[in-house]
Amino acid sequence: KNQVEQSPQSLIILEGKNCTLQCNYTVSPFSNLRWYKQDTGRGPVSLTIMTFSENTKSNGRYTATLDADTKQSSLHITASQLSDSASYICVVSLHSGNTGKLIFGQGTTLQVKP
Amino acid sequence: ETGVTQTPRHLVMGMTNKKSLKCEQHLGHNAMYWYKQSAKKPLELMFVYSLEERVENNSVPSRFSPECPNSSHLFLHLHTLQPEDSALYLCASSQDLSVEGAPYNEQFFGPGTRLTVL
Repeated sequence: KNQVEQSPQSLIILEGKNCTLQCNYTVSPFSNLRWYKQDTGRGPVSLTIMTFSENTKSNGRYTATLDADTKQSSLHITASQLSDSASYICVVSLHSGNTGKLIFGQGTTLQVKP
Repeated sequence: ETGVTQTPRHLVMGMTNKKSLKCEQHLGHNAMYWYKQSAKKPLELMFVYSLEERVENNSVPSRFSPECPNSSHLFLHLHTLQPEDSALYLCASSQDLSVEGAPYNEQFFGPGTRLTVL
C-alpha cells in the first residue's frame, strides 16, 4: 500500500532553535518527494521538490534530505522564527498513468514559541 | 490578482442546502484539482481536470459535483451534504498533469474554503 508517514505529529520549539521533521514512505514507483508548508487557514505552499537522484535541497533556512534506499526524508529548519509555525506536509509523487498521483502525509504541526 | 483564489473562504450550510464553491487560477495552467482536508488526516484528492476534461474521480459521493467550464475556473457543487463532509476544501492547479519526464509539475494551492455542514 502506498503510504507516507510523518513524525512527530506535533512539535513545539523555542524561537532560534533548530528542528528536524521526518517522513517515511512506501510508495512505488517513486517519482519525486515534496515538502509543503501550510499556514493556518491557508493552502499548502511548496518548499522543496526532489527526485530520487537528489539527496539534499535547500530553500533558505529549510533543508530537505532524501534517502531513496531507505525511503526516508527529513526537513531541517535552522534558526527557527515565529513565522515557521505551520503544518509541514511530506508528499510523494508516483507515476500513475498520466495524473502523477500524489500521496500526502498527515503533516507535522510545528509551533515556534518566543 | 495572481495565483489561485477560492470563494467563499468560509461556508456554513444545512444538510438540505445547495451551494457551490468556486476556484479561479490566474497562472495559465491546464490542470486543476479539488482536495478535501479533514482534521488530522492527509489531503484527499477528489477530482482532477485537464483541459476542462475530468480525468480522475476518486470515488467521491455524488453529492459532490464538479464543473470546469474553462481552464481557469473550477466549481464544486454541493447538495444534501452530511456533517462528516465538514472540512477544508482546497483547489490547486498545475501547468499540466504530472507525466513521466516532467516530474516537477508543481501544484499551486488556493487558500481553501472552510465548510461546515450542520
